Amino acid sequence: QKEVEQNSGPLSVPEGAIASLNCTYSDRGSQSFFWYRQYSGKSPELIMSIYSNGDKEDGRFTAQLNKASQYVSLLIRDSQPSDSATYLCAVTPNYGGSQGNLIFGKGTKLSVKP
Amino acid sequence: DADVTQTPRNRITKTGKRIMLECSQTKGHDRMYWYRQDPGLGLRLIYYSFDVKDINKGEISDGYSVSRQAQAKFSLSLESAIPNQTALYFCATSLRETQYFGPGTRLLVL
Repeated sequence: QKEVEQNSGPLSVPEGAIASLNCTYSDRGSQSFFWYRQYSGKSPELIMSIYSNGDKEDGRFTAQLNKASQYVSLLIRDSQPSDSATYLCAVTPNYGGSQGNLIFGKGTKLSVKP
Repeated sequence: DADVTQTPRNRITKTGKRIMLECSQTKGHDRMYWYRQDPGLGLRLIYYSFDVKDINKGEISDGYSVSRQAQAKFSLSLESAIPNQTALYFCATSLRETQYFGPGTRLLVL
């Protein structure tokens, strides 16, 4: 069973700090990695996608990928109370018939305190 | 207008009833998915369809069926609802791997 693991949290950071969210995955052949944000009772919303080792920055968000260590992380700089949400890591599996599907972690709940 | 819509948004039903959840999209994507989300269990894939003639079971398909009526429409049916099917249900679409979610249907089975 291919798995995506995240610390469930809650992760609490003060406003203005850097929030660091981590995710590990078991399928060494995975090629595509995604971070979604989900507010309570709402649908997941795509924040970032990353496909190559290294960092990818988009505004206050930076995704980091290390395929050798099988982890992907999301950094949120200058955290705001509006960033308080659950962050879902998703990975594409690499086995026959399922290319294009996503395996989701259970999510990390982030709380940004004013 | 929203790109991915789900109806109904909320539904209360009784054990043994048949219900259908509907999903429509205007994104022009071929791929569509149904997930359920339960507290502490995350998103779990029920069924997925890569085109109108392609339907595949996901991780937890027992007790569910689907119909892909057109490229833009993908329906999920619970033939005989049971209380442990109480959950938040999401439809999603994709062109390739990146998936876009509908607003969800909150289902309560009494």
